[in-house]
Amino acid sequence: QVQLVQSGAEVKKPGASVKVSCKTSGYTFAGYWMHWVRQAPGQGLEWMGWIIPNSGETKYAQKFQGRVTMTRDTSINTAYMELNSLTSDDTAMYYCARGFLDSSGRSLDYWGQGTLVTVSS
Amino acid sequence: DIQLTQSPSFLSASVGDRVTITCRASQAIGRYLAWYQQKPGKAPKLLIYGVSTLQSGVPSRFSGSESGTEFTLTITTLQPEDFATYYCQQLSDYPRTFGQGTKVEIK
Repeated sequence: QVQLVQSGAEVKKPGASVKVSCKTSGYTFAGYWMHWVRQAPGQGLEWMGWIIPNSGETKYAQKFQGRVTMTRDTSINTAYMELNSLTSDDTAMYYCARGFLDSSGRSLDYWGQGTLVTVSS
Repeated sequence: DIQLTQSPSFLSASVGDRVTITCRASQAIGRYLAWYQQKPGKAPKLLIYGVSTLQSGVPSRFSGSESGTEFTLTITTLQPEDFATYYCQQLSDYPRTFGQGTKVEIK
């Protein structure tokens, strides 16, 4: 079965960086785009960007341009999201989610369990 | 950015009720609209994509429809496990925005 398992919770100081991993299994990693979505405490969902595992091509939301880097290691079927220059506004649950496409449309069909990143001095 | 406005933001309903949630897009998005359900402390779960295609394993009491740039999620005969927050998402343009969410609570 398809599984996305993320790394554990992180506590970071303002100005630091965080790197979250998303290890996949149960499907062909290179065949599906990987999206990252975050959710601040008590708030809604915010799309951050995607990476195409096959090529490494990325697309980031303008809001995160210059501060986020999405990478992958196809040898271990794992995607990564690194966010720099953290502030308290970056305190959130970060999710990886598999991008799906068929003749009916697009979606994020499988999600990781989430990684809580807390930014505090 | 394409704005998605969900209504209502909060809904109180009883088991067995028919529930309708609306998502209005600020511009045309074709059929690139998905709906997700999120329960407290859990990741979102895909319910519907392509406006009306039910994800595998999702009960048939969930359905989706559209009228221009207005999209609707309907739950017929609300069940206890359906009390959750629901989000729409557009996958037509970048950034892939979400609606603000609709919380469905027990009356």
